[in-house]
Amino acid sequence: GEKVEQHESTLSVREGDSAVINCTYTDTASSYFPWYKQEAGKSLHFVIDIRSNVDRKQSQRLTVLLDKKAKRFSLHITATQPEDSAIYFCAASSNMGYKLTFGTGTSLLVDP
Amino acid sequence: AQTIHQWPVAEIKAVGSPLSLGCTIKGKSSPNLYWYWQATGGTLQQLFYSITVGQVESVVQLNLSASRPKDDQFILSTEKLLLSHSGFYLCAWSLTRGQDTQYFGPGTRLLVL
Repeated sequence: GEKVEQHESTLSVREGDSAVINCTYTDTASSYFPWYKQEAGKSLHFVIDIRSNVDRKQSQRLTVLLDKKAKRFSLHITATQPEDSAIYFCAASSNMGYKLTFGTGTSLLVDP
Repeated sequence: AQTIHQWPVAEIKAVGSPLSLGCTIKGKSSPNLYWYWQATGGTLQQLFYSITVGQVESVVQLNLSASRPKDDQFILSTEKLLLSHSGFYLCAWSLTRGQDTQYFGPGTRLLVL
């Protein structure tokens, strides 16, 4: 089955800097890649997603890049703010099913 | 607007005791519904999904079962809890196609002693 690896377990940046979180996946059939944010003690909040028919998607300070050849996707956060501090999870899903496989999470700390 | 509720908010249960967790989605008809489990400090594991009333697919075996008795309700249960069942249980919904965004409920924290 699909395996999603999230490369940075922790990431610390200064307020205003950019942060990048990288994920790789194994199943070439995967075509949907969402990102979620989890604040301490809370549930998951949808952040942004990308589908395999595009290689870049931007929403305000967030950009997702997808490299299908390398089976890699990444979340870029610009002008980070302290409220961006949270655990970020990447995930992947294949075209044919409802199964979502998550990465292990990246704890992002933005120092004010 | 869609709202998703989970009950109870938290539970402390004894090993070997039964468990029933619930999830209700309002404001969306015939959603896909999902159950996830998150160990403390860990990643999320999808447990079950359901695309219609009475139909539930198991993704991973953890000595748990799920049922969808109504269009807007999803139940997770077991007759005998294990210590390894402790964690954070999350219900999610999506529109009727696969690959649509999944939106998560507030979750239920379970501690098995």
